[in-house]
Amino acid sequence: GAVVSQHPSWVICKSGTSVKIECRSLDFQATTMFWYRQFPKQSLMLMATSNEGSKATYEQGVEKDKFLINHASLTLSTLTVTSAHPEDSSFYICSATRGDRGRTEAFFGQGTRLTVV
Amino acid sequence: DAKTTQPPSMDCAEGRAANLPCNHSTISGNEYVYWYRQIHSQGPQYIIHGLKNNETNEMASLIITEDRKSSTLILPHATLRDTAVYYCIVSNYGGSQGNLIFGKGTKLSVKP
Repeated sequence: GAVVSQHPSWVICKSGTSVKIECRSLDFQATTMFWYRQFPKQSLMLMATSNEGSKATYEQGVEKDKFLINHASLTLSTLTVTSAHPEDSSFYICSATRGDRGRTEAFFGQGTRLTVV
Repeated sequence: DAKTTQPPSMDCAEGRAANLPCNHSTISGNEYVYWYRQIHSQGPQYIIHGLKNNETNEMASLIITEDRKSSTLILPHATLRDTAVYYCIVSNYGGSQGNLIFGKGTKLSVKP
């Protein structure tokens, strides 16, 4: 099946610093990728839609200046958490939909555990 | 808000069939029923999806009622590795529209 890879799998950073998370589609091109956040014992919440070559679309309540998204190529989207604070500690997950060959299911990365201390 | 309702938890004996129900009474005509699962501390994994007809693949079977207001995911021979949270989602084309709304899912515990 299609593979979506995230890096790093986990990261610990100091409060006030920025962290970049990468999401790659390894064997297909993804014009659109999605970023989710999941707090402990809660479900996934869609944060933003990342569009190749254009600005990301953010869900209501998600600060675009804090969560910078760049989708510079058809296989890579990055999420940068700027000036991270402990409340940003969460599990961040990306997904991409393979639109070719009539496939419509979304494939998810393995997630990135961010801990801000 | 999620458009589906699932029981919060279920238990299943190893080797037996696991039947996970989902209600989606407000599903519209062009929405598919998707099932994903999330094993602890991993990203969700696609299982199966369907529109009207029952579907089967190497992982599971999906039974959709004729009125499409509910469905059941069947894992025919559950193993301990099937312990996970299972999410039933209704969506146009699995999220290509950016509208994968996750509910709370069903936490399936497969016991020896």
